[in-house]
Amino acid sequence: DIQLTQSPSFLSASVGDRVTITCRASQVISTYLAWYQQKPGKAPKLLIYAASTLQSGVPSRFSGSGSGTEFTLTISSLQPEDFATYYCQQLNSYPWTFGQGTKVEVK
Amino acid sequence: QLQLQESGPGLVKPSETLSLTCTVSGGSIRSSGYYWAWIRQPPGKGLEWIGNIYYSGNTYYNPSLKSRITISVDTSKNQFSLKLSSVTAADTAVYYCARLWGGTRPWYFDYWGQGTLVTVSS
Repeated sequence: DIQLTQSPSFLSASVGDRVTITCRASQVISTYLAWYQQKPGKAPKLLIYAASTLQSGVPSRFSGSGSGTEFTLTISSLQPEDFATYYCQQLNSYPWTFGQGTKVEVK
Repeated sequence: QLQLQESGPGLVKPSETLSLTCTVSGGSIRSSGYYWAWIRQPPGKGLEWIGNIYYSGNTYYNPSLKSRITISVDTSKNQFSLKLSSVTAADTAVYYCARLWGGTRPWYFDYWGQGTLVTVSS
């Protein structure tokens, strides 16, 4: 199975901060990586797919980059509604796997 | 607007079979290129993909669960279902159903149900 390791696992930030989350894959996965946002008690929400394609309706402050084994999710200016947990997911090969999550908390 | 809704018992006894159904509304489960999936999340933990099904009945299962899971589809009811046998406390989780774009790559899960908590306990 392909392992995804996110860093950091926890991140404290303030409104307006630029935030970057990294996802590293144990094998090359091309650009078959998605990012999701999850708020407490809610289902995950798709933010980005194919490593860098913004899902329709997602604010442009979210961006993704990377290919191969290293990927990043960037929030250019953190907004109050962005405090949540973020997960990466690889859809290169079965079984599809998720990273362990990065919780973005209020500083 | 597509909506997915999970339903089923919230409490299952150890060694029994967990059964959940996902009802799709606002769209057809027979939509070309779209698969239908189950994902679960133990309390306070991360996400685990369980498996997918196409409306034709083709399935893909997580090997870690393959011996215990069955995913089926009922196109007449616009529903798909999950059965997980021989459950233990480790199967306690929020179970989500989701839609997967599985046609031309890239693939992604774009719609999710709200999730349903299933507790395994006697």
